[in-house]
Amino acid sequence: GAVVSQHPSRVICKSGTSVKIECRSLDFQATTMFWYRQFPKQSLMLMATSNEGSKATYEQGVEKDKFLINHASLTLSTLTVTSAHPEDSSFYICSASDSVKGYGNEQFFGPGTRLTVL
Amino acid sequence: AQSVSQHNHHVILSEAASLELGCNYSYGGTVNLFWYVQYPGQHLQLLLKYFSGDPLVKGIKGFEAEFIKSKFSFNLRKPSVQWSDTAEYFCAVNAPWSGGYQKVTFGTGTKLQVIP
Repeated sequence: GAVVSQHPSRVICKSGTSVKIECRSLDFQATTMFWYRQFPKQSLMLMATSNEGSKATYEQGVEKDKFLINHASLTLSTLTVTSAHPEDSSFYICSASDSVKGYGNEQFFGPGTRLTVL
Repeated sequence: AQSVSQHNHHVILSEAASLELGCNYSYGGTVNLFWYVQYPGQHLQLLLKYFSGDPLVKGIKGFEAEFIKSKFSFNLRKPSVQWSDTAEYFCAVNAPWSGGYQKVTFGTGTKLQVIP
């Protein structure tokens, strides 16, 4: 089956530093990748959608300069949390879809990255 | 805008009990519907999905869901739960592709605890 990995699984950083999270599709080409944020006891909140080779589309209320997304290849997307602050501490999950044909294609989820900003 | 609501936040059942988790969505057009499961310490996995056709969808591990268009519902069912079904379940809706990308909206999730 389709596998999506994320690295790192956990990261602790100091306030003001930047953190990069990688999302890779291991056995398929992901034309579209999604980044979600999950708060404790809450659902997944879509942050942005990225298509390979083009700029990411951010959801309302998500700061694009704060959360930089790069989808440079069909198997890799990165999320960089710039100048992280404690309120950015969260669980970040990526997912990937292997086609942009039509709609409703299944998304395959990564295991998530727990970010803690001190 | 599309939204998904799951009314049961935490469900506790004994093994062999029947399960039904509610999911309602709000979107006037054609939708695709999903149920995802997240086992403790694991990532989200697809349980089942509905695109079109038979409104009764069968998924993995004995789960099924019924799409009732008139009620905007997509409830998840299992006739007899097992301890290994302990997990968090998310309902999700995906509207037709628009603006060059697809988008899935998740419900708030239901934690299911099965007692041996």
